[in-house]
Formats: sequence, structure tokens, C-alpha cells
Amino acid sequence: KQEVTQIPAALSVPEGENLVLNCSFTDSAIYNLQWFRQDPGKGLTSLLLIQSSQREQTSGRLNASLDKSSGRSTLYIAASQPGDSATYLCAVRPTGFQKLVFGTGTRLLVSP
Amino acid sequence: SAVISQKPSRDICQRGTSLTIQCQVDSQVTMMFWYRQQPGQSLTLIATANQGSEATYESGFVIDKFPISRPNLTFSTLTVSNMSPEDSSIYLCSVLGLAGPTDTQYFGPGTRLTVL
Repeated sequence: KQEVTQIPAALSVPEGENLVLNCSFTDSAIYNLQWFRQDPGKGLTSLLLIQSSQREQTSGRLNASLDKSSGRSTLYIAASQPGDSATYLCAVRPTGFQKLVFGTGTRLLVSP
Repeated sequence: SAVISQKPSRDICQRGTSLTIQCQVDSQVTMMFWYRQQPGQSLTLIATANQGSEATYESGFVIDKFPISRPNLTFSTLTVSNMSPEDSSIYLCSVLGLAGPTDTQYFGPGTRLTVL
């Protein structure tokens, strides 16, 4: 059974810092991995999608990497801003399935 | 970008009643998904809804408790039946590949349900 873990559970940083969020999964048989952000009481916004054959994806200040063999992904946020404050969720799609298996999330607070 | 809307956005319901949540997508999609997010928890898939066939439920979820309809390629409903306080959650509708790469999963704004 695929399990997804995110570390740390919560992170508080001052504005301007670069930071890394970690995601690990137990089964390397994945089709892709997707990072989302969730604002309090809201739905999910897709940030980045990495296919199993890819090593990384970039969008603006965000960079996500994937090491499928070791079951790890990282989300790098450059020059953090207060508007980045949200919960960040990592989700994997197991090979042969359409559903996503979600991690527990990292709650990020960026202080001005 | 993709537009997925849900109604209602939130509701407070009494124990033993039922609530039907609607999900509307602004273009046709083959697969729609319903997820649940319990307080302080991550998301869990309830079922996959395909147009023209019965929904496929995940382990721990049953049709009598969470009946789903999928009358066409842009609409689905999820009913939470005979509710108890343990059903208090955010319920989210999701689709694949709506407005970007076909493998990207998109989510609606969610329905926040509180059961008293």
C-alpha cells in the first residue's frame, strides 16, 4: 500500500528565505507526482506535475524534483513571500491507478 | 484556466439528515473524482465517477452512504446520507486534465460540511 509522508509538518520562515519541503513515498511504482497548495478552508491549486520519467519541473519561484528510485520529492521555494503562506500537499499517482495518494501536508507560514 | 464549481460551499446539517453536493465543470471530462478531507487530515478518495456507469468506491466507502450520480460529462453529485458528526469534512470534486497537461488533476473549491 502506497504511503506518502511530508516533512516538516509545519514551517515558519521570515520573508525572503529560500526553503525546501520534503515528500517521501513508500512504493516507487508511480506514474507521476503532483504538488498542490491549499489555502485555509479552500480547495487545492495545482503547482507542479512531475512525470515518473522526469527529474524536475520549474514554475516561477518553484522547483520540484523527483528521485523515484529513492521515493523522494522536494519542492524548493525561492525568495519566499507572505503570499506563499499555505499548506503544501504532495500526491502520487500509483502506476495503473487514476487516483492520487496524498501526503499529510506541510503548513508554511512566511512572516513579513 | 479550468473552472470547477461546487454547491453548496458550506453547510451545517443535523445528525441523520442527508446532503447532496453538486460539482459542475466547464468542459467535458471522462473521469470525475470525489475526495474527503477530514479535519486536520489529508485527502482521501471516496469514489471515481464515470459517465454512463456505476461509480467505483474505495475501500471503506459504500454506495449506500455516499451515492453518486454522473448524468453527463460535465456534472456529478455526491450525497452524504444519514449523516453523523464523523462526516464533518471538506468534500472536494476533482477532474483529470481539464485545462493543462492531461495528467494534471484539478480540484474544485470544496464543500465544507459540519454535522451537529
